[in-house]
Amino acid sequence: EVQLVESGGGLVQPGGSLRLSCAGSGLTLSPYWMGWVRQAPGKGLEWVANINTDGSEKYYVDSAKGRFTISRDNAKNSLYLQMNSLRGEDTAVYYCTADWIRGQGTLVTVSS
Amino acid sequence: DIQMTQSPSTLSASVGDRVTITCRASQNINKYLAWYQQKPGKAPKVLISKASFLESGVPSRFSGSGSGTEFTLTISSLQPDDVATYYCQQYNYHFGGGTKVEIK
Repeated sequence: EVQLVESGGGLVQPGGSLRLSCAGSGLTLSPYWMGWVRQAPGKGLEWVANINTDGSEKYYVDSAKGRFTISRDNAKNSLYLQMNSLRGEDTAVYYCTADWIRGQGTLVTVSS
Repeated sequence: DIQMTQSPSTLSASVGDRVTITCRASQNINKYLAWYQQKPGKAPKVLISKASFLESGVPSRFSGSGSGTEFTLTISSLQPDDVATYYCQQYNYHFGGGTKVEIK
C-alpha cells in the first residue's frame, strides 16, 4: 500500500523546537514536489511549506518564514520539517504531502 | 503567490440534488489540483487528483473538471454520507477555504 507516514509530533513548550519526519512506504518520494500542511483545532487546512524534487527550492507560508525549515533526504526516502520558536498558534495536526498523496498526520501541541 | 478561492463556503441541499463546488486559482495551475473530503475528527480523504481523476474507491457520483484557473467538483446525487467539508488544493500548495456541505 502506498502511504506517507509522519512522526515526531508531541507536546512542546512555547519557544521550543520539534522535528517532524515523513517517510514514504511503497512510494518513492524523489520524483515528487513535497510539502507540509496543517490543521489547527476547529480550523481549515493550511499550507505550511513545500520543496522541490532535489531540495534546491523551498517556499513557506509567511507565519513559518524564519522559524520552520523544510528539507528532504531522497536517499532515505524522507521529508522533514524543523520547527523552532514554536507558538501556541502552531498547535495543529501536521500532514506531509506528495502532490495529492498525504499521510494521516502527526499532532503538535504547543503549550506550557 | 497563487491563491485559491473556493465557493460557496456553505451549501445546503436535499438528498438526490446535484451539487457543484467551484475553485478558482489566481494563476494557471494546469491540472495540478486535488479535491478532498473531510468529515469531523477525520483526516482529509482525496476524492479527485489531477483535476478530474477519480481516486480508487470513491463513489462515481463524484466528478471533477476544469484546468488552468477554474475547477469544479460535482456530486451528481447528494447522499447523507456526503455531509462533510470539501477542500480544493493546488498540489503541495494553497488550499481553498473549504465548502461545508449539509443536508437540507
